[in-house]
Amino acid sequence: NAGVMQNPRHLVRRRGQEARLRCSPMKGHSHVYWYRQLPEEGLKFMVYLQKENIIDESGMPKERFSAEFPKEGPSILRIQQVVRGDSAAYFCASSQTSGTETQYFGPGTRLLVL
Amino acid sequence: QKEVEQDPGPLSVPEGAIVSLNCTYSNSAFQYFMWYRQYSRKGPELLMYTYSSGNKEDGRFTAQVDKSSKYISLFIRDSQPSDSATYLCASWYNQGGKLIFGQGTELSVKP
Repeated sequence: NAGVMQNPRHLVRRRGQEARLRCSPMKGHSHVYWYRQLPEEGLKFMVYLQKENIIDESGMPKERFSAEFPKEGPSILRIQQVVRGDSAAYFCASSQTSGTETQYFGPGTRLLVL
Repeated sequence: QKEVEQDPGPLSVPEGAIVSLNCTYSNSAFQYFMWYRQYSRKGPELLMYTYSSGNKEDGRFTAQVDKSSKYISLFIRDSQPSDSATYLCASWYNQGGKLIFGQGTELSVKP
C-alpha cells in the first residue's frame, strides 16, 4: 500500500521562474492538504482540497500561489514568479474522509530558489 | 500569540531516560491533539492522537491532554537513539481540515 507520493523531492528554481509540486494521495484517499515548513518553523497549513474543489485556502498567500486537485491525476501546488522567500519544504498530506484528524504525510518537496 | 506553542529545544538526553515533551495551546475550540515525529529530511509521521482530555498509551509513548490548562504532553519511556527526531504537536478543530502545528522540539538521545 503505497503512501503519499510527492515529486520532485528536490526542486531548484531561479527567481521569477515557476515551480510545480505534485502530490499523489494514498490509495482510497480523496482529501489532500498542503503545508509549508520554513527553516526553524513548524508546519503551516496552506490549502485543503477535495477532487475538483478547494475547501479551505485560508493559509495560501494571496498572490502567486495556486492549487488544484483534478478529477484525474495528482494534486498540483503551483508557485508563479518564485522569490527567495519561497524556499522551504512543502508537504502534502491526505486523508480518507472529510476533515479527519488522521492525515498522512508525504516525504515533501524541498524547493530552493536561487 | 501562536495558537500552539512548543519549546523548540534542542533537548538532549541519555539512552534510557524518560523524555517529556510539552505544548500549550490557546484555542478552547481544539478537540483533537496529535503528536508527529519527523526524522531529518523526511515527512512527519503520526505517532498518536487523543480526543479531548485524558491519557493515551502506546508502547513506550504516552500522550496526555489537560484541557483545563490547555497543556499537551508526550512522554517517552526508555528512550532509544532511534527516537532522535523532531517531535511536533498539533491540534485540530472538529471542522475543516486544518492542522495547527507547534514549532517542533528537536530531541537527541545519546547512546
